[in-house]
Amino acid sequence: GENVGLHLPTLSVQEGDNSIINCAYSNSASDYFIWYKQESGKGPQFIIDIRSNMDKRQGQRVTVLLNKTVKHLSLQIAATQPGDSAVYFCADQNYGGSQGNLIFGKGTKLSVKP
Amino acid sequence: DSGVTQTPKHLITATGQRVTLRCSPRSGDLSVYWYQQSLDQGLQFLIQYYNGEERAKGNILERFSAQQFPDLHSELNLSSLELGDSALYFCASSVVGQGAGVGYTFGSGTRLTVV
Repeated sequence: GENVGLHLPTLSVQEGDNSIINCAYSNSASDYFIWYKQESGKGPQFIIDIRSNMDKRQGQRVTVLLNKTVKHLSLQIAATQPGDSAVYFCADQNYGGSQGNLIFGKGTKLSVKP
Repeated sequence: DSGVTQTPKHLITATGQRVTLRCSPRSGDLSVYWYQQSLDQGLQFLIQYYNGEERAKGNILERFSAQQFPDLHSELNLSSLELGDSALYFCASSVVGQGAGVGYTFGSGTRLTVV
């Protein structure tokens, strides 16, 4: 079956440093990938997405990198702030398929030290 | 506020009981997805409805069922509850029923505790 997993369950960084959160996926048919941020007591919140025809996409302080060869994607957060503390999930989807459901990894908890 | 409304926010019930969780999608969204989030399984897709019809099924138990009504709100029914059903249940909505893309919005969830 499909499996999207995260390499590290927890990540602790110093405020102002850059954070890198990694994710592996197994479904070769996945052509759309999303990173979500989930704060305590809230639902997942969209951060950034990338399609399989791209290797890199940048947003505000965030960058997603996709390596289709090894089925790996990462989320880079620049100048990490205390407000970035949350659990981060990657998710994949077969965008061209008949279903819109997402397959989520287990999540990485990011803690930012002041 | 994401625009997706879930009620109730918290629910405590006993084993063997039945509960109904409700989701109102974002205005204009036709598709509703249900997810279960437990500590050991992460976010698991349960079921999807599009414009009133079931579109896809994931890891949904036979004790669970769902429906989407003409006004597009959806209900997730959980019966014969077990302790292991304790989890956060999220609803998400999107405009289309496939290739949802960036327009996927989650509600704040219902925390179910089975005692």
